[in-house]
Amino acid sequence: KAGVTQTPRYLIKTRGQQVTLSCSPISGHRSVSWYQQTPGQGLQFLFEYFSETQRNKGNFPGRFSGRQFSNSRSEMNVSTLELGDSALYLCASSLPDNEQFFGPGTRLTVL
Amino acid sequence: AQTVTQSQPEMSVQEAETVTLSCTYDTSENNYYLFWYKQPPSRQMILVIRQEAYKQQNATENRFSVNFQKAAKSFSLKISDSQLGDTAMYFCAFMKHSGGSNYKLTFGKGTLLTVNP
Repeated sequence: KAGVTQTPRYLIKTRGQQVTLSCSPISGHRSVSWYQQTPGQGLQFLFEYFSETQRNKGNFPGRFSGRQFSNSRSEMNVSTLELGDSALYLCASSLPDNEQFFGPGTRLTVL
Repeated sequence: AQTVTQSQPEMSVQEAETVTLSCTYDTSENNYYLFWYKQPPSRQMILVIRQEAYKQQNATENRFSVNFQKAAKSFSLKISDSQLGDTAMYFCAFMKHSGGSNYKLTFGKGTLLTVNP
């Protein structure tokens, strides 16, 4: 069974731009979660989607948004990029009440 | 809100020896899961072991085992016969069990483990 895939793996943007990251979960997993990892703040929860509905949201500004499609694939969008948005963005998928399996991440650099 | 604390930012161990990583957590929940994840230099987050809070028996996965002390809110990871491939950042994580409606993982800051030859 294929693992969680994320595209692109690396991304360089400039301040003020917007970016869209994509995540394809493990087949059969309907829950997709997103995390931001930075050296200073560590791993922080962004949001979680299940059956195209956002069920949980972390403490991030409205510039961070996401969505999930009927095939469980998910995208997250960051608008008006700031330098502090530079991070590794991790996507994870899971079955109900089960461990989360992570993708390889997207490394975003904002210049 | 839940918090997870890993008090050892860095640790090192000689190959073939045993090492224990510490983790404490704070929660008012009674039903929850605890996990240890490993993140090697490739940055791929890999599940090492999981523990359900309602289970008294400590989880074991090959060379990896935990010491789960629910009353003390402690969840340590023991790695036996350490191998060079165990070199990685290790994260302790908490997840509330709530009938499938909450999948937020709360992570500790991590412990960087180096296995020396």
